[in-house]
This record gives sequence, structure tokens and C-alpha cells, in this order.
Amino acid sequence: DQQVKQNSPSLSVQEGRISILNCDYTNSMFDYFLWYKKYPAEGPTFLISISSIKDKNEDGRFTVFLNKSAKHLSLHIVPSQPGDSAVYFCAATRSSNTGKLIFGQGTTLQVKP
Amino acid sequence: EAQVTQNPRYLITVTGKKLTVTCSQNMNHEYMSWYRQDPGLGLRQIYYSMNVEVTDKGDVPEGYKVSRKEKRNFPLILESPSPNQTSLYFCASRGLNQPQHFGDGTRLSIL
Repeated sequence: DQQVKQNSPSLSVQEGRISILNCDYTNSMFDYFLWYKKYPAEGPTFLISISSIKDKNEDGRFTVFLNKSAKHLSLHIVPSQPGDSAVYFCAATRSSNTGKLIFGQGTTLQVKP
Repeated sequence: EAQVTQNPRYLITVTGKKLTVTCSQNMNHEYMSWYRQDPGLGLRQIYYSMNVEVTDKGDVPEGYKVSRKEKRNFPLILESPSPNQTSLYFCASRGLNQPQHFGDGTRLSIL
């Protein structure tokens, strides 16, 4: 049972445009969400997170939106740059159980110059 | 430099031959985890540890063992590896209320 789903395996956008990556979850007990970015031959690196008490968190070009009623979060990258081309994973956890983290399948973003 | 170090980075071995993948972190983090990455499945947690001598199963623990005798080390043990454990493995660590730092991965091929 996939509790965290990224239904788009890939996304291609033009440099300078907005990239929107989506993530859905099924477990209503999740209260903390993260996005990670992964380049080939490297481990994932943390990008941005959001707590369920918020519906938006912004860090430079990256903004994460959380819609709790729809159990949906999205990552917006504006403007997109070629260096943003990578695999993006969303992840969810219950902050009361700080060991377990559930990841989605990942979305490969390609930003074309 | 803060880092999570995994060894080996690559390994090709045969079914049934016990192997250990080591993981070490130098950030004095309480939490450590092991994940495997497979095409179309993303990252799945194998085991995690919340402190020395405290470990728990993740989503796919079958066929794996871990130990946490020291805070900095969290080895992953495959007692009798099988071909379905061929995968890319990541170790991660984090401090309290912090996001995870990942190692660069270990690619295991079991023939």
C-alpha cells in the first residue's frame, strides 16, 4: 500500500518557467512533509519541509503548498533553472514517531535551457 | 565536514554469502536509517534507529538485520542475500527536529 504517491514519473519545463511537482498521501496521521532532491550517483539532499499547521512554506525559489483536506502537497520552483534537473522525492512522517519516514516514488524533472 | 559515509559503494556478490554494508556519521545524530531505492518504488525504509541499542523495522525489513552499538555506526547486514535484494541502498542520519542527511549510496548486485 503506497501511502505517499507521486503520480507523475517525469516532468519537463522550459528554463525560467514554473515547475510544479505534486504529491498525494493517504494517511491522515502524517503531520510533517519534506521534499528531497537527488542527482545521479549522489544521495538525496533535503530541500524544503512543511508542518501540517501551515499551508505554505517558502525558501527562495522553492515553495511547498499543503492542502490537508485533499491530502495533497505540491512543490513550486520559480523560476526553474537547468541545475534544478534532478529526481524529486516527497516524504511524510508522523512527528510523534520521529524514526519512520515514507517516501513517494519520485518525479524526474528536466529543465530545458 | 559533516557527512554520512557508506562502504562499499559498489558490490557484486553471490546468493547466500553474508555481507555487511557499513554506515558512519560524524554529526552525533541520534537517528539513523537504511533505505533501498528501486525503479518505480522510490525510497523504502528498511530499518531505523532512534538511538544506541534502539532499532525498529521500516516498511521492508525482511532479509535484513541492523545493529546500533555505537551512536556513529549503523551497519546493514544481509545474512543470506538473494537476488531480490539487488538494489541501491542509502544510509541516512539526522538530529532531533532536523531533516535527514544521506550517504552517497551503495549499489549491491546479488547474482
